[in-house]
Amino acid sequence: GAVVSQHPSRVICKSGTSVKIECRSLDFQATTMFWYRQFPKKSLMLMATSNEGSKATYEQGVEKDKFLINHASLTLSTLTVTSAHPEDSSFYICSARRPGLSGEKLFFGSGTQLSVL
Amino acid sequence: AQSVTQLGSHVSVSEGALVLLRCNYSSSVPPYLFWYVQYPNQGLQLLLKYTTGATLVKGINGFEAEFKKSETSFHLTKPSAHMSDAAEYFCAVSPRGGYQKVTFGTGTKLQVIP
Repeated sequence: GAVVSQHPSRVICKSGTSVKIECRSLDFQATTMFWYRQFPKKSLMLMATSNEGSKATYEQGVEKDKFLINHASLTLSTLTVTSAHPEDSSFYICSARRPGLSGEKLFFGSGTQLSVL
Repeated sequence: AQSVTQLGSHVSVSEGALVLLRCNYSSSVPPYLFWYVQYPNQGLQLLLKYTTGATLVKGINGFEAEFKKSETSFHLTKPSAHMSDAAEYFCAVSPRGGYQKVTFGTGTKLQVIP
């Protein structure tokens, strides 16, 4: 099956610093990627839809200046948590949509556990 | 708008027993339905999905789910639980024809007792 690589898997940072998370589709070109946030014992919440070459579409209530998304190539989307605070601590997961008419369409990265001290 | 309800945040079964994880959805039109499994500190892995055709869908690891339109349900079952099935399971729904807005349920943590 297709592979989506997410890096880093775990990051600890100080409050006020920025953290960048990468999401790569390794064996297909993904025009669309999605970023989710998962709170402990909660479901995944869609934060934004990232489209290659254009601005991301953010879900209601998600601060776009706080969570910067860049989808500069067909295989890479990045999520930057700017000026991180403890309340940003969470598990972040990306997914990539594989184009085409056949086969599975949506593939998930392995997630990034962000801890802000 | 679409939504997913998973009944039971925790389910415990004995090894070898039947696994039944419940999922009900709400959607204005029949959607695509998915079950994903998440192991600790990992991303999601697709177990199975229903898009069209046969309403009984078989997935990986011996799991299957049946789409029942009249009950708006998509319950996940496995005849005999294995210790390795212990994980969190998410039911999800998306509009037909697209994978844009996938809405997840709150998840059910499956515990398998030896």
